[in-house]
Amino acid sequence: DAGVIQSPRHEVTEMGQEVTLRCKPISGHNSLFWYRQTMMRGLELLIYFNNNVPIDDSGMPEDRFSAKMPNASFSTLKIQPSEPRDSAVYFCASTPYSGGLPSTDTQYFGPGTRLTVL
Amino acid sequence: GDSVTQMEGPVTLSEEAFLTINCTYTATGYPSLFWYVQYPGEGLQLLLKATKADDKGSNKGFEATYRKETTSFHLEKGSVQVSDSAVYFCALRLNTGGFKTIFGAGTRLFVKA
Repeated sequence: DAGVIQSPRHEVTEMGQEVTLRCKPISGHNSLFWYRQTMMRGLELLIYFNNNVPIDDSGMPEDRFSAKMPNASFSTLKIQPSEPRDSAVYFCASTPYSGGLPSTDTQYFGPGTRLTVL
Repeated sequence: GDSVTQMEGPVTLSEEAFLTINCTYTATGYPSLFWYVQYPGEGLQLLLKATKADDKGSNKGFEATYRKETTSFHLEKGSVQVSDSAVYFCALRLNTGGFKTIFGAGTRLFVKA
């Protein structure tokens, strides 16, 4: 299995530009998570989906951030307009969803996208 | 609310030293507990996990025991290697609602040869 795939691996953009990060979860996994990692704030959960439906987006910083999961094999995280304080590593992770049963399943992380906003 | 607290780093050890990284948690119900490891430039990967009280998770010489009475899940290794240098994250997974995972702040480990 190829694991969780994220693209691009690195993104450098200027303030005010739109940024789109992409994620392909592991086939058969139906929970998907977006995280942001910075030195100051550590690892923060932004949003997660079960069966393509957003369950909790309370971690999304503000309206500039949006995430979609149009199908089971693809998700995007968009920042518009981007700001320098958005510079971070963004991780996508997926996990199987047991649907109502206690879940002990591992989260499988992608390699991350390092975003730099100038 | 639900949370994970782990010891601040960095932790610096010499090769073959004993490692302990403390982790305590606060959670409603009975969460599953995890340790993840992040090597430089990579995403997090599962190191070990425990799903109920008194369970011991182990992998690659690392161990952690789910202690419900002290709400702890301390990570230990008897003899560290330079290749163990990484950031270690303690995490809990709630077994209700949408199965959200909550991560600690991470502890950076440096092992010197």
